[in-house]
Amino acid sequence: GAVVSQHPSWVICKSGTSVKIECRSLDFQATTMFWYRQFPKQSLMLMATSNEGSKATYEQGVEKDKFLINHASLTLSTLTVTSAHPEDSSFYICSARSRVGYTEAFFGQGTRLTVV
Amino acid sequence: GDSVTQMEGPVTLSEEAFLTINCTYTATGYPSLFWYVQYPGEGLQLLLKATKADDKGSNKGFEATYRKETTSFHLEKGSVQVSDSAVYFCALRHAGNNRKLIWGLGTSLAVNP
Repeated sequence: GAVVSQHPSWVICKSGTSVKIECRSLDFQATTMFWYRQFPKQSLMLMATSNEGSKATYEQGVEKDKFLINHASLTLSTLTVTSAHPEDSSFYICSARSRVGYTEAFFGQGTRLTVV
Repeated sequence: GDSVTQMEGPVTLSEEAFLTINCTYTATGYPSLFWYVQYPGEGLQLLLKATKADDKGSNKGFEATYRKETTSFHLEKGSVQVSDSAVYFCALRHAGNNRKLIWGLGTSLAVNP
């Protein structure tokens, strides 16, 4: 299947700093990318959906000014956690879909963020 | 709202044992149902899916049947291998404009030789 690469796989940062997570589709063009967040022993929660070249659509309760999403090209989306705090510590997962309406999305391996 | 409930893990089995991971859902209409698998250090992968009632999804020896009467999509495999050790997620999605995946909590499976 198609490959989605997420980087870094883990990161530790100080409270108040910003962290950028990259999600790349390696062998297909991703018209839509999704960002999820997963707390321990909880389900994956969709944070936002981004379509290439347009603003991301955020789920209810997700602060768009805190979780900045950029989908500037068909192979790259980034999630920036701004002014991170310990409560932002979580597992972040991206997925990418190759064309509108296509059922299957492919997932990155996830990024473990720890804010100290 | 829609939800997915999976049996809690971890599940530990010996090689060649029979596997069942229960999944039930609550949803309006007729969602599509999915099982995803996450092997250690890798991203989630679609394992199998079913799009309508009584459909059976199958892949790599795993099977799940879409049971609307019991709102279930239990995952089964007749003989597990060590390489099946992973976390398994059940999920649903509606057709139409809102195509969000709704996820279960995931069930960790460890298969011992």
